[in-house]
Amino acid sequence: AQSVTQLGSHVSVSEGALVLLRCNYSSSVPPYLFWYVQYPNQGLQLLLKYTSAATLVKGINGFEAEFKKSETSFHLTKPSAHMSDAAEYFCAVSEIQGAQKLVFGQGTRLTINP
Amino acid sequence: KAGVTQTPRYLIKTRGQQVTLSCSPISGHRSVSWYQQTPGQGLQFLFEYFSETQRNKGNFPGRFSGRQFSNSRSEMNVSTLELGDSALYLCASSVSGNTEAFFGQGTRLTVV
Repeated sequence: AQSVTQLGSHVSVSEGALVLLRCNYSSSVPPYLFWYVQYPNQGLQLLLKYTSAATLVKGINGFEAEFKKSETSFHLTKPSAHMSDAAEYFCAVSEIQGAQKLVFGQGTRLTINP
Repeated sequence: KAGVTQTPRYLIKTRGQQVTLSCSPISGHRSVSWYQQTPGQGLQFLFEYFSETQRNKGNFPGRFSGRQFSNSRSEMNVSTLELGDSALYLCASSVSGNTEAFFGQGTRLTVV
């Protein structure tokens, strides 16, 4: 069965510092991987997705993620944090071809210190 | 282009009652999926509908049900509400599976 583990339920960085949010997955087949962001009292917004094309995926708002099959990881990074990046971030995996069934990690709350 | 619309945004119900939540997908999207979000369990998949047929189902009791209409709008129903059903219910739509899923703002259900 597929699963997602996000290391660190809460990450705090200074404005301008590197953001690194960790995600490891378990999947029996080549997965589809996603990062979503959720602002308070809002739904989820897709940041980026991996669908077996390039292993380095660029997303919106300056975020990117690298798929590493050997490490079963899909960590999210941003070179320079901005105050507006404060939110909760979710990593998700989908195995089923042609269907929309996402398995989410527990989420990482990102705090940006001025 | 309008996004995914969920109604109502907030709902308070009493234990034992039933509730129906509505989701209008983005125009042209035929896949609608539902998720439950709670502080303890996180985001959990409920079910997915595609062209009026339930295509996938999560591990929830039979009190949770859904349907999709010919215009792709979807409803989910929870019968005999329990306190533990208090959650944010999110709906997502996509053109087809494994493409971008666009989420609505959710319906926050409180069971008292």
